[in-house]
Amino acid sequence: GNSVTQMEGPVTLSEEAFLTINCTYTATGYPSLFWYVQYPGEGLQLLLKATKADDKGSNKGFEATYRKETTSFHLEKGSVQVSDSAVYFCALSDPQGGSEKLVFGKGTKLTVNP
Amino acid sequence: SAVISQKPSRDICQRGTSLTIQCQVDSQVTMMFWYRQQPGQSLTLIATANQGSEATYESGFVIDKFPISRPNLTFSTLTVSNMSPEDSSIYLCSGGRAQETQYFGPGTRLLVL
Repeated sequence: GNSVTQMEGPVTLSEEAFLTINCTYTATGYPSLFWYVQYPGEGLQLLLKATKADDKGSNKGFEATYRKETTSFHLEKGSVQVSDSAVYFCALSDPQGGSEKLVFGKGTKLTVNP
Repeated sequence: SAVISQKPSRDICQRGTSLTIQCQVDSQVTMMFWYRQQPGQSLTLIATANQGSEATYESGFVIDKFPISRPNLTFSTLTVSNMSPEDSSIYLCSGGRAQETQYFGPGTRLLVL
């Protein structure tokens, strides 16, 4: 079945540091890949997505590239801010395989200190 | 994009009682889902809410415990029945069109005493 393995947290960084959160996946078809973010006390928001190999999703300074050869979708940001403190979830869906259901990684809690 | 609202936003309930959570989408969507997020954990899919027919449940979730309705393309309810403290979680609904992004509601924070 489909699964997502995400870097375990928590991650603590200083403001302006470089961020990488690793995400790898297992899927039978050709999944779409997502990063969702959950700020404290809030629901999930879509951060970025990629629907096919070599696509790069980007938003708010975050980027992730769909790497089919390594089955990865690592999240990066060049300079984090205190306001980026949140829990980040990597997820996939396999619509062509007949399912729009999202399969989530375990989440990575990021804390950015001033 | 779709804007999704949920009611209630939070509740504290006594064990043995039931709570119905409502999910409203501001536009017609093909797919609606219900997820559970236990404290400090990731999201687990409970079921797919099917319009006009019985929901499709994931392994470990049953209709008697989590009855779901979806009378039209923009509205769904999830009931958590005969609650116990283990049901304390955040319950989230999501919606989207086929092969498009799913959007999430803000969640319902449930505490069972």
